[in-house]
Amino acid sequence: QLQLQESGPGLVKPPETLSLTCTVSGGSISTSSYYWGWIRQSPGKGLEWIGSIYYTGSTYYNPSLKGRVTISVDTSKNQFSLKLSSVTAADTAVYYCAGCVQTEMALDYWGQGTQVTVSS
Amino acid sequence: QSALTQPASVSGSPGQSITISCTGSSSDVGGYKYVSWYQQHPGKAPKLIIYDVSDRPSGVSNRFSGSKSGNTASLTISGLQAEDEADYYCSSYTSSSTRVFGGGTKVTVL
Repeated sequence: QLQLQESGPGLVKPPETLSLTCTVSGGSISTSSYYWGWIRQSPGKGLEWIGSIYYTGSTYYNPSLKGRVTISVDTSKNQFSLKLSSVTAADTAVYYCAGCVQTEMALDYWGQGTQVTVSS
Repeated sequence: QSALTQPASVSGSPGQSITISCTGSSSDVGGYKYVSWYQQHPGKAPKLIIYDVSDRPSGVSNRFSGSKSGNTASLTISGLQAEDEADYYCSSYTSSSTRVFGGGTKVTVL
């Protein structure tokens, strides 16, 4: 059974870079047809898609965050990562990593989420 | 990209059926079969309950069903149960190869 676990600092100062890692266990991150993504949820708000990375290495980002987001994969560690630069208080949220494993486009595996607060 | 439009809240009595709509455009919902629905209980991670408009992952109750007409997708919960009280989000693939979520719908079981 595939499991995903987010890790990273819970507090980030503006305008630093937020860095999170998602460790995948129970399967290989580089299996063809899989893709991985990051989603966030601000306090009391809905889900916001941040971006995705495919097994080919192709990345796609939310246009509203473009320029600040980078998603990468480290196959040797079975991890993928999120970097969000120039953060502000508006980036305070629960950040989820998720994977598309048994479907073609839907996110069927999710991490438990990690709270990130942006504050000086 | 604009979020898909969902009603803020829907309610129903136990045993009833409710339907949640999700309206987008021809660049997302209307243009692809890749509409999915997620259930989220308070303090928990979202859970996939419908993918590819109307398919259910293994283990998801058949009380959940999905459909699509034009630019609007719908999630129907039949035989409403107390455990169905949660937030529900739709999501779609887009013409830019990105994904977009709906604003979410809070389902209340009366």
